[in-house]
Amino acid sequence: NAGVMQNPRHLVRRRGQEARLRCSPMKGHSHVYWYRQLPEEGLKFMVYLQKENIIDESGMPKERFSAEFPKEGPSILRIQQVVRGDSAAYFCASSKPGGETQYFGPGTRLLVL
Amino acid sequence: GEDVEQSLFLSVREGDSSVINCTYTDSSSTYLYWYKQEPGAGLQLLTYIFSNMDMKQDQRLTVLLNKKDKHLSLRIADTQTGDSAIYFCAESTPNQAGTALIFGKGTTLSVSS
Repeated sequence: NAGVMQNPRHLVRRRGQEARLRCSPMKGHSHVYWYRQLPEEGLKFMVYLQKENIIDESGMPKERFSAEFPKEGPSILRIQQVVRGDSAAYFCASSKPGGETQYFGPGTRLLVL
Repeated sequence: GEDVEQSLFLSVREGDSSVINCTYTDSSSTYLYWYKQEPGAGLQLLTYIFSNMDMKQDQRLTVLLNKKDKHLSLRIADTQTGDSAIYFCAESTPNQAGTALIFGKGTTLSVSS
């Protein structure tokens, strides 16, 4: 029973490039959440998605960031024109519909040079 | 506003009990969670408590909730070196769209032998 899977685990980008982070939820889970963890900080909510729908994106920066969860395939968090301040660990979590618990993936550590 | 606060560091000797404390501000919180994060890893759900409970025990873990004071604690009995990690307190507060978790900054537990 595989848990939440994220790839890549580590990603290095130069300023101005694009970063694509992927998340496959646990089997049977249709809700996906993205969180960002800056160094020495807790996790901050970014966006909550269900299949083909963005439910809550109140934590997403207004520019350069987008997320999707297509009918088929993983959820994608896309960061365009990355800047050094985007360097962080990005975690995906999934839950069942109506579930009270979120299970986290191992994270993608993004480093922007 | 919503805020979760934790002490940053706790140091204990192997075999002692550890108590990690957390305060939160949102009285509409429905569930409160404890997650464990080891270096370079994702978040592991340790335990959680529904807001109408005041205590939950799970093997070496005991969660106490004082809803009046908005205070949550995690007690780890017979602490082992393998318990060394960062422990995050989190609350879920149902909003219009979803149940994003709000995290504290984490308590680093250091266990010495």
